[in-house]
Amino acid sequence: EDQVTQSPEALRLQEGESSSLNCSYTVSGLRGLFWYRQDPGKGPEFLFTLYSAGEEKEKERLKATLTKKESFLHITAPKPEDSATYLCAVQDGGATNKLIFGTGTLLAVQP
Amino acid sequence: GAVVSQHPSRVICKSGTSVKIECRSLDFQATTMFWYRQFPKQSLMLMATSNEGSKATYEQGVEKDKFLINHASLTLSTLTVTSAHPEDSSFYICSANPLAGEYEQFFGPGTRLTVL
Repeated sequence: EDQVTQSPEALRLQEGESSSLNCSYTVSGLRGLFWYRQDPGKGPEFLFTLYSAGEEKEKERLKATLTKKESFLHITAPKPEDSATYLCAVQDGGATNKLIFGTGTLLAVQP
Repeated sequence: GAVVSQHPSRVICKSGTSVKIECRSLDFQATTMFWYRQFPKQSLMLMATSNEGSKATYEQGVEKDKFLINHASLTLSTLTVTSAHPEDSSFYICSANPLAGEYEQFFGPGTRLTVL
């Protein structure tokens, strides 16, 4: 059964204090691993898709990496506006494109 | 690009009534749309997968007669919660998978349903 585990559940950082969020997964044939950002009361906002081990993608202060068992979302010099819940999801190689989500990491960046 | 809208954003209804939620892809066509629900401080749980012109596929434990899904066109899917009860109160979010894209899903802003 496909499974996604994110850690930590919550993370509090000072502005400028870099850190990483972890997403561990088990899936029968990974088609893609997705990172989303979700603000309270809103739908998830797409950040990255990673397809194969060794792949990396960057966007502003965020960088996502992928291995065969896990993905990391690195946040460099975060700002208060980076505060949100970060969700990881995997898509297997089946006939549907459905996503299996982790429970997310709630990030709070203090000024 | 890749904007998904939902309407209404918030709805309050009495127990026993039905509520319809619309999901539209505004600037792309979507072969597939997905419906999720999210309880407070929990992650998204897939309810059903909706393909244009065919019956929706429901996840285990989701009652298809209670959560009616219609995918009438490549830009519109609707979710109707029939005979709603307080336990159906939740945050309902749709997503769409573009025809011409890869496998990303783009999400709507969500609908907060409160059943009194």
